Amino acid sequence: QSVLTQPPSASGTPGQRVTISCSGSNSNIGGNTINWYQQLPETAPKLLIYNNNQRPSGVPDRFSGSKSGTSASLAISGLQSEDEADYYCAAWDDRLIGVVFGGGTKLTVL
Amino acid sequence: QVQLVESGGGVVQPGRSLRLSCAASGFTFSGYGMHWVRQAPGTGLEWVAGLWYDGNNKYYADSVKGRFTISRDNSKNTLYLQMNSLRAEDTAVYYCVRDQRRIPVGATFGYWGQGILVSVSS
Repeated sequence: QSVLTQPPSASGTPGQRVTISCSGSNSNIGGNTINWYQQLPETAPKLLIYNNNQRPSGVPDRFSGSKSGTSASLAISGLQSEDEADYYCAAWDDRLIGVVFGGGTKLTVL
Repeated sequence: QVQLVESGGGVVQPGRSLRLSCAASGFTFSGYGMHWVRQAPGTGLEWVAGLWYDGNNKYYADSVKGRFTISRDNSKNTLYLQMNSLRAEDTAVYYCVRDQRRIPVGATFGYWGQGILVSVSS
């Protein structure tokens, strides 16, 4: 049972906009920044969004993040086949004194 | 470029110990917090442990507290994970991860190693 809650799956067709939610509590998302990771099949995860809505260099602006209260969202616009991957949210948790991840969302491009 | 290369994984019996190492290069190792993150087969990511840039403060997941020890040798640009009293549920790919900050309390994992498999089985 993950501390952060994500839907296990999401899907969309090429060109569509898809959002993935991440729900937590005051001790994690509510009081700290949220980060998102993309894991392509058989590869190590990659930082996709940090500090709620910042993109590292090289990440397309099709990817965007937002946070409100104890929830956050990752949006992917102009969906492409290469976006098919697992997506994870993560945040520091002040009560657990450590990092917590969401269970991951498997994105399928139909 | 930043490189993180894990070593020391393999098959080990329950109750035994194993030490993972992570050789870092391409950046000033002593300037960043570091972590270990694991992924059991077919499951999601689980943070294991993290420590400050100078090694003076360490954090652990409840699932490994008292059994695992994270440490670093800044003179050798190397991160370690000493794993004792291993259990079947510790079976996973273990990733060495560099934080974006000196004090790693933001879950901002900028760089990941390729991962190394630890399999706990009799």
